[in-house]
Amino acid sequence: AQKVTQAQTEISVVEKEDVTLDCVYETRDTTYYLFWYKQPPSGELVFLIRRNSFDEQNEISGRYSWNFQKSTSSFNFTITASQVVDSAVYFCALRTYKYIFGTGTRLKVLA
Amino acid sequence: KAGVTQTPRYLIKTRGQQVTLSCSPISGHRSVSWYQQTPGQGLQFLFEYFSETQRNKGNFPGRFSGRQFSNSRSEMNVSTLELGDSALYLCASSQDTAPYEQYFGPGTRLTVT
Repeated sequence: AQKVTQAQTEISVVEKEDVTLDCVYETRDTTYYLFWYKQPPSGELVFLIRRNSFDEQNEISGRYSWNFQKSTSSFNFTITASQVVDSAVYFCALRTYKYIFGTGTRLKVLA
Repeated sequence: KAGVTQTPRYLIKTRGQQVTLSCSPISGHRSVSWYQQTPGQGLQFLFEYFSETQRNKGNFPGRFSGRQFSNSRSEMNVSTLELGDSALYLCASSQDTAPYEQYFGPGTRLTVT
């Protein structure tokens, strides 16, 4: 079975706080891809980052960083010094032969 | 490069009618996927097309169908609309080679009354 779990339904933080969005996945495939997408209030999903199952190197891009750990089947996303513009729904997704999306985490950043 | 476009952006239909939604993928992308997004169910996969063939299908009734044309443009059709079909329908395109990231259109918001 393939599954993506985003246990955090909604998170509220005050601007400039750091926040981590959790993603846990399940698959028996050895080759797979993991993604994070952002859906701002406008509605259009925006691709943020991808990782393949053979690349556990974590990445930092500006205020964003990602932590991929195969041992715990997790692919967490951290925003450092959050801003109001980060307010959105964030989706984690798994692709083997098809895409499976998590249920999303709504992030509210309060000024 | 132009992004994924979807038409129409908004649609209001009544129960029992049918509707056709259109999606034009990013140039060069041959894979097109459709998703239904509702507040209660999240992002649900409808189907994926590649080279005019349906490659994957989600768990939706037969009232939901789609097709893809030789230029990779895709349409989805919903017949005998029900109130529960009210949703945001998202189209995504991708290349058919790794790493497969999908690029989404703005969606079509369908309201069934």
